[in-house]
Amino acid sequence: KAGVTQTPRYLIKTRGQQVTLSCSPISGHRSVSWYQQTPGQGLQFLFEYFSETQRNKGNFPGRFSGRQFSNSRSEMNVSTLELGDSALYLCASSLYFTVPTDTQYFGPGTRLTVL
Amino acid sequence: AQKVTQAQTEISVVEKEDVTLDCVYETRDTTYYLFWYKQPPSGELVFLIRRNSFDEQNEISGRYSWNFQKSTSSFNFTITASQVVDSAVYFCALSGVSGGSYIPTFGRGTSLIVHP
Repeated sequence: KAGVTQTPRYLIKTRGQQVTLSCSPISGHRSVSWYQQTPGQGLQFLFEYFSETQRNKGNFPGRFSGRQFSNSRSEMNVSTLELGDSALYLCASSLYFTVPTDTQYFGPGTRLTVL
Repeated sequence: AQKVTQAQTEISVVEKEDVTLDCVYETRDTTYYLFWYKQPPSGELVFLIRRNSFDEQNEISGRYSWNFQKSTSSFNFTITASQVVDSAVYFCALSGVSGGSYIPTFGRGTSLIVHP
């Protein structure tokens, strides 16, 4: 069974640009969560999508948005990039809507560098 | 608000040594879940264990063991006879209910380096 895949793996952008990251969950999984990992703030929850609806949202500005498609694939978008958006963005999938009893499986992440 | 503290930023040991990674948490929820994840250099987090707040039984899985103590709000992780392949960053996480949903909070991670 293929794991969670994220594309691209590496990305370099400049301030003010926007970026779209993609995540394909494990086959059969319907929930996709996004996390940001930075040296300064650590690992932080961004948002979660289940059945094409955003179910949970972390404490991030509106520049961070996402969506989920009918095949459960998800994209996250960051508009008007700032230097502080440089991070490893991790995607995780699980069978159902995130409850702690449902194990999340993580992808390898997308390393975003904002210059 | 919930909080997870991993006071050890980095631990360096020699292979075959035992090592304990500390995790202290804060939450007002009576029902919550605690987790440990491993992040190898490749980047993806790997789930290791989950424990709910009503289950204080310690758990052992091979060389890994976990000690959950509600009285001290701690959920420590011990690796016995460490190996080079154990080198990674380990995260402790807490999921409590926030507005009816479970939002995970992670500690800052402990980088474990196992030298041959």
